[in-house]
Amino acid sequence: EAEVAQSPRYKITEKSQAVAFWCDPISGHATLYWYRQILGQGPELLVQFQDESVVDDSQLPKDRFSAERLKGVDSTLKIQPAELGDSAMYLCASSTTGVLAKNIQYFGAGTRLSVL
Amino acid sequence: AQSVTQLGSHVSVSEGALVLLRCNYSSSVPPYLFWYVQYPNQGLQLLLKYTSAATLVKGINGFEAEFKKSETSFHLTKPSAHMSDAAEYFCAVSPFGNEKLTFGTGTRLTIIP
Repeated sequence: EAEVAQSPRYKITEKSQAVAFWCDPISGHATLYWYRQILGQGPELLVQFQDESVVDDSQLPKDRFSAERLKGVDSTLKIQPAELGDSAMYLCASSTTGVLAKNIQYFGAGTRLSVL
Repeated sequence: AQSVTQLGSHVSVSEGALVLLRCNYSSSVPPYLFWYVQYPNQGLQLLLKYTSAATLVKGINGFEAEFKKSETSFHLTKPSAHMSDAAEYFCAVSPFGNEKLTFGTGTRLTIIP
């Protein structure tokens, strides 16, 4: 069964360092999402891509976060510099488009970030 | 704007007992509604979805949910709890025709042997 791949699974970094997370969506899925899930809370959307274009990044802290999906396939989320409050699980999800897709999003296993 | 409220951040049931996890939604347009399950240190797995077809939706692992427009609810149930059901459960909403998912804060389900 096709899956959304994310790496690394775990990342420990020090405050002010740069970190990057990678996501490879299910083949053929045009829409890709990055979510942040703080411990004890539900996921919150950071950025949504349709192919290589950003559809929604209204909740992305753009002073330190950036996301790209250059060829419309895999994607990278970067934080520079990391802050203590960035400690969370970062989830990637993908979905097909069109009416029949009915917005079913498939999630990867996530990257758990700890900022010390 | 859309939102969901999950009543009860922690629910404990005995093995074999009924599972009931509550979700109420707020949406200005016809919603799509979802239940996801998350096991420790894992991503989210779709349990079931409501997309304006049948109001009683059956999902995986014996779970089902009923869409009640008059109560703006989409509660998740399972007749008989199993130890493997212990996990975090999230209700989510997206407006018809829009892909953005808004999640609730989750309910942690504990199964008592």
